[in-house]
Amino acid sequence: GAVVSQHPSRVICKSGTSVKIECRSLDFQATTMFWYRQFPKKSLMLMATSNEGSKATYEQGVEKDKFLINHASLTLSTLTVTSAHPEDSSFYICSARVANQETQYFGPGTRLLVL
Amino acid sequence: DQQVKQNSPSLSVQEGRISILNCDYTNSMFDYFLWYKKYPAEGPTFLISISSIKDKNEDGRFTVFLNKSAKHLSLHIVPSQPGDSAVYFCAASERGGTYKYIFGTGTRLKVLA
Repeated sequence: GAVVSQHPSRVICKSGTSVKIECRSLDFQATTMFWYRQFPKKSLMLMATSNEGSKATYEQGVEKDKFLINHASLTLSTLTVTSAHPEDSSFYICSARVANQETQYFGPGTRLLVL
Repeated sequence: DQQVKQNSPSLSVQEGRISILNCDYTNSMFDYFLWYKKYPAEGPTFLISISSIKDKNEDGRFTVFLNKSAKHLSLHIVPSQPGDSAVYFCAASERGGTYKYIFGTGTRLKVLA
């Protein structure tokens, strides 16, 4: 149980284009989903917290117009990197949490490379 | 401001011996702590957690110890196996808050056969 998937696993795009990453909880309903970013050999940095049916809460320093998050259902959240630039290249990981439980379950991550 | 710190970036241990990974935190509001294991280009895998009302939690080869007064927790792996080689992250959260995690910087464990 508690499986989280991400799609795509890897994406290469041109500078200026937008990229959408999907995060799905496969066998449970996730009231809250989180989006993280990891730079090489660094820790996971929380970007935003997403609750189903409401606007995402972004961490300080994360541009909400740059990183659009939609949590349309209890099993799906999407992160759209708009007008991507090479500095947006990173490893993006989502996690999902069930209501009244503390443990987050993580997806396998998406490697984004912006050329 | 790094609220959760793992001061050892790497650790090498002989197979069969004990691995001890350490984590320190500064925010006294944290009341739930977790350890995750991560391989390159994969998402973290949950290992074990502990709430602040306990000082020890054990699950198979993994034991987490919490010292609230020192704001310190540690993960013990006994016996260590080559398959345990990975990066280990500790994470902390406030239960009454948004449940968001603050991750440490990670410790790369290498178990030598």
